[in-house]
Amino acid sequence: KNEVEQSPQNLTAQEGEFITINCSYSVGISALHWLQQHPGGGIVSLFMLSSGKKKHGRLIATINIQEKHSSLHITASHPRDSAVYICAFNSGGSNYKLTFGKGTLLTVNP
Amino acid sequence: DTEVTQTPKHLVMGMTNKKSLKCEQHMGHRAMYWYKQKAKKPPELMFVYSYEKLSINESVPSRFSPECPNSSLLNLHLHALQPEDSALYLCASSQSRDSVFRTQYFGPGTRLLVL
Repeated sequence: KNEVEQSPQNLTAQEGEFITINCSYSVGISALHWLQQHPGGGIVSLFMLSSGKKKHGRLIATINIQEKHSSLHITASHPRDSAVYICAFNSGGSNYKLTFGKGTLLTVNP
Repeated sequence: DTEVTQTPKHLVMGMTNKKSLKCEQHMGHRAMYWYKQKAKKPPELMFVYSYEKLSINESVPSRFSPECPNSSLLNLHLHALQPEDSALYLCASSQSRDSVFRTQYFGPGTRLLVL
């Protein structure tokens, strides 16, 4: 079993819809990251969370440490939100290593 | 300035060539990373430098040789690569080892094709 699972793998939405992408992990972590990657492009770090909730513009990320679960929400989705969204975590100590999920491919149609 | 820059954007090389990838950041970050990403896969960590010293090598073949000449610059020297090494090579940096500052800032990547 992978240490981190994302769902769904693929998601198609209409412009304006509310989007939720889920991430579950099976180990203790020190921080969870949500990353965005446009096709063929580099990666942008959206959020780093160790507890609670963070909001940036139309993006909201939440984490429940007890349930080992995080969600990324996009309100009023737009075609420019189409990208792969990746959940990743640090597992603490002096370990810089990020463990990545397989990503969720989001397509937002106009 | 919250930017990590990488050059070149694209690189085509033969199996006998020697080339280098360059990564630069001016955020004062003291940890820098090289990742390799194949199509439709998550990034795979290759190397981590901390305070200009190599701290993690994820069993990467010796045809990849990293170098950190100073705290702002990270190079990846390539020699005698194989076609299966074709991938997107991503550089990232983060502020320090402290858990509060582990957000990694990624560059746009270098797309490498080995013929």
